[in-house]
Amino acid sequence: DAGITQSPRYKITETGRQVTLMCHQTWSHSYMFWYRQDLGHGLRLIYYSAAADITDKGEVPDGYVVSRSKTENFPLTLESATRSQTSVYFCASSKGATNQPQHFGDGTRLSIL
Amino acid sequence: DAKTTQPPSMDCAEGRAANLPCNHSTISGNEYVYWYRQIHSQGPQYIIHGLKNNETNEMASLIITEDRKSSTLILPHATLRDTAVYYCIVRGEGAQKLVFGQGTRLTINP
Repeated sequence: DAGITQSPRYKITETGRQVTLMCHQTWSHSYMFWYRQDLGHGLRLIYYSAAADITDKGEVPDGYVVSRSKTENFPLTLESATRSQTSVYFCASSKGATNQPQHFGDGTRLSIL
Repeated sequence: DAKTTQPPSMDCAEGRAANLPCNHSTISGNEYVYWYRQIHSQGPQYIIHGLKNNETNEMASLIITEDRKSSTLILPHATLRDTAVYYCIVRGEGAQKLVFGQGTRLTINP
């Protein structure tokens, strides 16, 4: 039971570079989510997806792009990374939106120099 | 979503029950109480959730007061591996995001 996996676990890159964080789940969950966690802000929702080819913005979407061509994958791309995007990124999935818990991956720690 | 209030930190002896309180006095009728925990450098882990009735699973029990203004998460036999930050979250039915507050840092002592 692999669950939900994120890759890479750690990434260092430079400002202006494009970087993609991967998220893969084996539960066939409909919903997938991307959060970022920063000191003093807790977890904040970046984007979410209700199904393949359906995505929507969360509270902090600027500077990020997502896609969901397959149910099991939900990559997050920073098209031109900035230092303010240094953070720990968590992917989550859930069966549905109503009364369903979200299950999280172990995160990607991203540092932008 | 309703705001929650939790003590910033708690200690518990290994083998004892850990009781973590949460106040959510502005909760509305269709909002659920969720509990998650986060062990250092890992992703948040779902523990349990409920609406009105008390709930129990293999990890914990959730006791919700009759007026639903507060709840308690009970870890019946705490172990050192239960040391983590515990988050109480109130979430409306159909709401997309989880709003994590500051949580309670629970330390289990040997």
